Amino acid sequence: KNEVEQSPQNLTAQEGEFITINCSYSVGISALHWLQQHPGGGIVSLFMLSSGKKKHGRLIATINIQEKHSSLHITASHPRDSAVYICAAQIGGGADGLTFGKGTHLIIQP
Amino acid sequence: NAGVTQTPKFQVLKTGQSMTLQCAQDMNHEYMSWYRQDPGMGLRLIHYSVGAGITDQGEVPNGYNVSRSTTEDFPLRLLSAAPSQTSVYFCASSYSGQGPQHFGDGTRLSIL
Repeated sequence: KNEVEQSPQNLTAQEGEFITINCSYSVGISALHWLQQHPGGGIVSLFMLSSGKKKHGRLIATINIQEKHSSLHITASHPRDSAVYICAAQIGGGADGLTFGKGTHLIIQP
Repeated sequence: NAGVTQTPKFQVLKTGQSMTLQCAQDMNHEYMSWYRQDPGMGLRLIHYSVGAGITDQGEVPNGYNVSRSTTEDFPLRLLSAAPSQTSVYFCASSYSGQGPQHFGDGTRLSIL
């Protein structure tokens, strides 16, 4: 079974800071998902990547397949970025191939 | 664009009661899933479907039933509610088994 670990579990930062959230997994995967969940809200897919780097606005996701590690970066962080960020590792196809991390609770203070 | 719609958003049940959580998507996605989210744990897969008429068990299927009679709908049934089923439930869909997941807003369920 794939184990997915996220760090840190909790992160509080000041507005404008550069944020890094890490995700490591134990077995080879076909894709890595990054998700965002606002307090009391639904879950939104941010990125799905299988190699290299993807960027969307101030968010950047990277993955190193050899090291079994992915990072989510937020540049020029803003209070509206406060949310839980979840990584999920995909093995093969299908929902039964997804293993979710426990999430990183991010708070950006103004 | 409706996306994935879950109803109800909140529900309180008594132990032993049954109910159905509804999930509908309008994106013509073949893959649909039900997850539960509990404090301190990652999302856990309850049941999933790869198309109308096809369902399978996930990691935590006990106490839950599903059916998939149409592509659009994937209801989750609690047969006899137990306090251990107090959780937030999310329905998700995707175009392919490896595509991005589209989640509903969740159903917050409390069993007394």
